[in-house]
Amino acid sequence: EVQLVESGGGLVKPGGSLRLSCAASGFTLSSYSVNWVRQAPGKGLEWVSSISSTSTYIYYADSVKGRFTISRDNAQGSVFLQMNSLRAEDTAVYYCARGREWFALSCFDSWGKGTLVTVSS
Amino acid sequence: EIVLTQSPGTLSLSPGERATFSCRASQSISSTSLAWYQQKPGQAPRLLIYAAFSRATGVPDRFSGGGSGTDFTLTISSLEPEDFAVYYCQQYGSAPGVFFGGGTKVEVK
Repeated sequence: EVQLVESGGGLVKPGGSLRLSCAASGFTLSSYSVNWVRQAPGKGLEWVSSISSTSTYIYYADSVKGRFTISRDNAQGSVFLQMNSLRAEDTAVYYCARGREWFALSCFDSWGKGTLVTVSS
Repeated sequence: EIVLTQSPGTLSLSPGERATFSCRASQSISSTSLAWYQQKPGQAPRLLIYAAFSRATGVPDRFSGGGSGTDFTLTISSLEPEDFAVYYCQQYGSAPGVFFGGGTKVEVK
């Protein structure tokens, strides 16, 4: 069974940093792209970042470019999102989602349950 | 950047009725690059349709996708109680990124 489990969320002050992790199991991580998607409380879905299967292609939403960094360790079975210079508007549930293909920017066929990030003083 | 506009914002329907969701793109997109997701309260989204027409694994055949160019639709032929949720369209497949529509909620009338 495909499983994606996010961790690392929590309460952080504006300007602070957090590192989210996504632990993948039940499939060969190195064959798939992975994405981060967030959802602010009561709002819709917002794509954050995508990374291709071997990290060759990486993309970011304009809203996080220069502040967030996506990376992966296929041997460890994990994908990461380093979030710096956090703002109140980054407050959201962050989902890890598997891409349907190896290339970044494919659609998302499996999702984790999400981890809540709250940015507040 | 492609903007996806979903309408209506809310659909009020009864079980057994047909539901049709609209997703309009600000510019023409490939039919291979349009997906639909379902999200229930407190849950992660679930892929329903990809490449505009193809059902994802395990999705019942009462769900169908259609459209081309700038106008795409998701249809539920006969609403089941578990189908009351929020539905999002998504454009994917090319830089600069992935974009979601604002969502349509289907509620019990």
